[in-house]
Amino acid sequence: DSGVTQTPKHLITATGQRVTLRCSPRSGDLSVYWYQQSLDQGLQFLIQYYNGEERAKGNILERFSAQQFPDLHSELNLSSLELGDSALYFCASSVRGASDYNEQFFGPGTRLTVL
Amino acid sequence: GENVEQHPSTLSVQEGDSAVIKCTYSDSASNYFPWYKQELGKRPQLIIDIRSNVGEKKDQRIAVTLNKTAKHFSLHITETQPEDSAVYFCAAHLPGYSTLTFGKGTMLLVSP
Repeated sequence: DSGVTQTPKHLITATGQRVTLRCSPRSGDLSVYWYQQSLDQGLQFLIQYYNGEERAKGNILERFSAQQFPDLHSELNLSSLELGDSALYFCASSVRGASDYNEQFFGPGTRLTVL
Repeated sequence: GENVEQHPSTLSVQEGDSAVIKCTYSDSASNYFPWYKQELGKRPQLIIDIRSNVGEKKDQRIAVTLNKTAKHFSLHITETQPEDSAVYFCAAHLPGYSTLTFGKGTMLLVSP
């Protein structure tokens, strides 16, 4: 157990809908990262927050947004869902978030299925 | 930004054999290279990492080597066991960026 929690574990929804994925980082970690992992694909970095502020952006669609709250948990909002958004969404956390790199610990993931 | 390529995409070995997975990176300024193991349906977990001031690092049956001149690094697993079967991801960190760039992964299958 990495100490990073994600809810829900599974989510099944229809095209056009909106969902929210939640992540709680390890105690003491200030940085949260979101990744998308589609079938047969690697880990695509979406976005990073550090202590409540957006720190880095990857291949995140405009239909997706995220935020990090004062208690450091983060939410990833996916809207106008398409079939291609079906994937495993991972959250990871690390102590720091600056250029001095430190290990990322991954949560168990949320499997999103869009029908 | 950084670009990481990983080969092979799949690797099948017999139990007891060695396995080698290779990654190349594009930016010579990258300074940290972790390897993650992801079992089916599970989260990626860090198994070994190496920093750019070190050429090789070992941890029991696994080792990582780094060739900065050629900009490539490799994961070596000796005496493979069926429980080594998983997808392995390499990654690179570029100073000035707070994120990792991952390779596309290698599915390792170890047959008894």
